[in-house]
Amino acid sequence: SQQGEEDPQALSIQEGENATMNCSYKTSINNLQWYRQNSGRGLVHLILIRSNEREKHSGRLRVTLDTSKKSSSLLITASRAADTASYFCAPTTSGTYKYIFGTGTRLKVLA
Amino acid sequence: DGGITQSPKYLFRKEGQNVTLSCEQNLNHDAMYWYRQDPGQGLRLIYYSQIVNDFQKGDIAEGYSVSREKKESFPLTVTSAQKNPTAFYLCASSSQGRETQYFGPGTRLLVL
Repeated sequence: SQQGEEDPQALSIQEGENATMNCSYKTSINNLQWYRQNSGRGLVHLILIRSNEREKHSGRLRVTLDTSKKSSSLLITASRAADTASYFCAPTTSGTYKYIFGTGTRLKVLA
Repeated sequence: DGGITQSPKYLFRKEGQNVTLSCEQNLNHDAMYWYRQDPGQGLRLIYYSQIVNDFQKGDIAEGYSVSREKKESFPLTVTSAQKNPTAFYLCASSSQGRETQYFGPGTRLLVL
């Protein structure tokens, strides 16, 4: 199991702007997932990108994966106040049940 | 209505007391997990179970115990040996062979 490290730790933007957060990891993976956590709530799965994919879209979310740089980015377009949350990445290897979540990126979208 | 439920939402523990956090899922998932989250921190794995009647320690199992007698249920007991139990506890489940984990709403444990 390995930990993803999110960057930046905190991000504050205006509603309507795009938000980009990054994740780095250390060893080879089979896929990488992004989760969102609203304050005081459980995590919600957003998107999974496999190691043979370079980009994936889901609604206003765009995820990229660069396995050569061992990094991923999550882009939220046209952000809304409801996007205010912490975002975590989870680099995963098939067959492992141990995910290590980093400290996340705390996104604040100002109305 | 499928999902994972955790109860109670808030739990207060007195010094030297054992308390049990409930986690139930009706997603027919084989694997279940317990995480601890401290303020402003990431999640740390306490215990996980891939199948009924079997479970493994995570990174911070000391002071905690679990059981997995039924597929749907994975209760976590915080024992008196856990000296700093104040935290937010999250339960999750996943389907065998699937990487995505589904989380419950969490239980916040406070010490009186």
